[in-house]
Amino acid sequence: GAVVSQHPSRVICKSGTSVKIECRSLDFQATTMFWYRQFPKQSLMLMATSNEGSKATYEQGVEKDKFLINHASLTLSTLTVTSAHPEDSSFYICSARDVRGRGWDTEAFFGQGTRLTVV
Amino acid sequence: GEDVEQSLFLSVREGDSSVINCTYTDSSSTYLYWYKQEPGAGLQLLTYIFSNMDMKQDQRLTVLLNKKDKHLSLRIADTQTGDSAIYFCAEKKDTGRRALTFGSGTRLQVQP
Repeated sequence: GAVVSQHPSRVICKSGTSVKIECRSLDFQATTMFWYRQFPKQSLMLMATSNEGSKATYEQGVEKDKFLINHASLTLSTLTVTSAHPEDSSFYICSARDVRGRGWDTEAFFGQGTRLTVV
Repeated sequence: GEDVEQSLFLSVREGDSSVINCTYTDSSSTYLYWYKQEPGAGLQLLTYIFSNMDMKQDQRLTVLLNKKDKHLSLRIADTQTGDSAIYFCAEKKDTGRRALTFGSGTRLQVQP
């Protein structure tokens, strides 16, 4: 079945540095990918919608200069956390929408998540 | 409103049935989903139901949808210890670019 690969699964970085997280659709094309943030024991909060070949759409309250999203190809979206601080520590999850999908199956594919710890 | 609500915790004994409930507020939802999340992992799609359906069964999983009350439930028959996880319901409003709206998640604990 279709797979979304997210990398790295876990990263620890120092305050002030930047971290890039990749989200790849392995056997399908995704014109749209979504980036979520999940706090401990909480639900997923949509951060932004990544659209291939155009600017990402950010949700209210999400700083676009801090969370840079690039969706340069139909199989890859990246989220870069710039000048990371301890409060950015969280679990980040991406999902990819298959361009061929109709209806229910466009929401099936999630990455494994990235645990970011900023020290 | 766009709230999707779930109870936070459910504990059952192995072999019993589990019922996880979800309420949503937007009547324009087209599809409703159930996802499973194990510790430190992403989301696994378990099942879904289209908004014009009342029930869907898939092996041990049964989804019931009461559109009038905006209530969704997931029943897991013969619950096993491997079913212990967090379960999220989610709604999809239209076929546009909007992402899903997730519930707060229900932690299911299965006791041997």
